[in-house]
Amino acid sequence: NAGVTQTPKFQVLKTGQSMTLQCAQDMNHEYMSWYRQDPGMGLRLIHYSVGAGITDQGEVPNGYNVSRSTTEDFPLRLLSAAPSQTSVYFCASSYSPGHYGYTFGSGTRLTVV
Amino acid sequence: GEDVEQSLFLSVREGDSSVINCTYTDSSSTYLYWYKQEPGAGLQLLTYIFSNMDMKQDQRLTVLLNKKDKHLSLRIADTQTGDSAIYFCAESNLGTASKLTFGTGTRLQVTL
Repeated sequence: NAGVTQTPKFQVLKTGQSMTLQCAQDMNHEYMSWYRQDPGMGLRLIHYSVGAGITDQGEVPNGYNVSRSTTEDFPLRLLSAAPSQTSVYFCASSYSPGHYGYTFGSGTRLTVV
Repeated sequence: GEDVEQSLFLSVREGDSSVINCTYTDSSSTYLYWYKQEPGAGLQLLTYIFSNMDMKQDQRLTVLLNKKDKHLSLRIADTQTGDSAIYFCAESNLGTASKLTFGTGTRLQVTL
C-alpha cells in the first residue's frame, strides 16, 4: 500500500530511556518531516529533510535527532525521553510541498512516565 | 515567527453550511492549506490555494483568501455527519515551502 508508514503506533517510555520512531514512505518523495501534536497547540515541526543526506531543524528540535540515509526512511530518535515529550508524533512526506502539500502517516502516540 | 490562528470549536446542523476561519501573520505566505483530521488518524489534505488566487472551489468545499486581511476560510456546503473532524489551516512561503506552520485546529461538530 502506497503511503507513509509509522511504527510503533503506541509506546510507553520511562524517563531517560531512548528510542527510535520509524517512518517509511514508498512514493519516492524527497521531502519528509516530523511533527508533534499537542492539545491546543496544533502541529509543530521538529525536523525535516529535503532529500537523502540533508536534514534541518524545525521549530522544536531539542531532544530529538534525525538522519536520512535513504529516500524511503526518516527515523526520529529520542535521546533521553522526558515527560514533556509525551505527544502524538506524525511523519509526513511530499513530492513537492508547495504544490501538493504533505501526505501524513497515522501517527505514533508516545507517553513518557 | 509566523503565527496561524483558528477558533477552537464550531457546531453546525446536518445540511447547513460550515465556515471555518483562519488568520495568519506572514505576509509572504505563498501556499495555504486545509487539512482534516479524523479521530485517531493522521492529517488528510483537503484542498489548498496559492496566494495569487482569491477563491478555489472543489465540490462541496470553497476556499476564500483575503490577502489584505491575511484571512483564509473554508466553507463546507451541505455539511454531513462524516464531516465531523478537526480542521487545520497551514501555510508556507516560497522560500521555505518544505516547512508548514499549522494553526491550532478547529473541531467541527455536526449535529442531527
